[in-house]
Formats: sequence, structure tokens, C-alpha cells
Amino acid sequence: DQQVKQNSPSLSVQEGRISILNCDYTNSMFDYFLWYKKYPAEGPTFLISISSIKDKNEDGRFTVFLNKSAKHLSLHIVPSQPGDSAVYFCAASGRGTRGSTLGRLYFGRGTQLTVWP
Amino acid sequence: EAQVTQNPRYLITVTGKKLTVTCSQNMNHEYMSWYRQDPGLGLRQIYYSMNVEVTDKGDVPEGYKVSRKEKRNFPLILESPSPNQTSLYFCASSLRPGEKLFFGSGTQLSVL
Repeated sequence: DQQVKQNSPSLSVQEGRISILNCDYTNSMFDYFLWYKKYPAEGPTFLISISSIKDKNEDGRFTVFLNKSAKHLSLHIVPSQPGDSAVYFCAASGRGTRGSTLGRLYFGRGTQLTVWP
Repeated sequence: EAQVTQNPRYLITVTGKKLTVTCSQNMNHEYMSWYRQDPGLGLRQIYYSMNVEVTDKGDVPEGYKVSRKEKRNFPLILESPSPNQTSLYFCASSLRPGEKLFFGSGTQLSVL
């Protein structure tokens, strides 16, 4: 049973517009959330994270929003650029439960973002 | 440079021929893990290790073995590969379990 879900396998956005990637989770014990970006033939690279004590974290063009009551997070990319075209993975963990099975990252299945000129 | 190094990048083999994919990290991380990526299925965890000599199964451990004799190395062993193990494999490490993972560049394995 998937604990982290990305329900949109793909997203297509015009350059300069906003990209919004969504992620839902089921386990209320998750307290740390991350986004990874993956280009073909490369390993995933860390993009941005957020702790459950916050509802927003920003890093340049990338902002992650967390809605704990809805168990939902989203990644906003503004403005989108062609170089942002990649697969984006959402991940979650329960850092406060080290030693339990929550002490690992659970990944969604990814969303392929395509930014066209 | 802090990194996770896995080898080889590409591997073609035949059914039943034992193989090992190596993984090494130079960040003194406690936690290491192996994932496989398949179309439409995302990243699925195969095995993980909390520290030296401590390993455990992930979500899809069947057909794989691992060992953690030293902190920096975490090889993935396929004793008798089968075609359903054709996949893209990633090794990853983090300072502690549940923290940000650093990934290797991947190993594309084809089992004929």
C-alpha cells in the first residue's frame, strides 16, 4: 500500500508559467518531506525539503507547501524553465521514529514535468 | 567531493550468472540503501542498512542479497539473476535513517 502518492504521472507547462506538482501521503507520523529531481541517466538529486513544523519553504524558484490537515504537499516552480524538465519524486519520512520502519524515506512514483518554450 | 559511487553504470548479463553491483560513499553516512526504478513504479527499496553489520529487507528484497562489512561499502548481490530483475538500480546513503538521501548515478542492468 503506497504511503506517498503522486497522482499525476505527467505535467506539461509553458516556459515562464508556474508548475505545480502535487503529492499526498497517508501516514500521520511523517514529519519530514522532500522533493527530488531526476534527469534521464542520472541519479535523483535533492531539491527542497520541509519539516512538519512549517507550512512553507522557499528556495529561489522552488517553493514547497505543506498542508498537514489534508496530508498534502505541493511543489511550485516559478517561473518554469526548459531545464526544469525532469521527473520529480516526492518523499516522506518519520524522523522522530528512528529505529522504526518510518525511519526511511518513502517515495511517490514520480511526475514527469515537461516545460516547453 | 562528497559522493555515492556505484559501479558498473551498465551491465548486461545472462540468467543465472551471479553478479555484484558495488556502492561506496565517502560521507561517513550511517544509513545506506538500494532502490530499483521501473517505469510507472517509481523508486522501490530493495534492502537497507542502518549501520555496519545491520541490514534489513525493503519492499522488494526477493532475489537480492546485501552486506555491510564496512561503513562506506554496501554491495548488491544477485546470486541468480532473472529477466524480471532487469531494471535501473540506485544506491543511496544518508547521515541517519529518514534524512536526506544522496544517490549514486545508477546502474542499468539487463538480464537476458
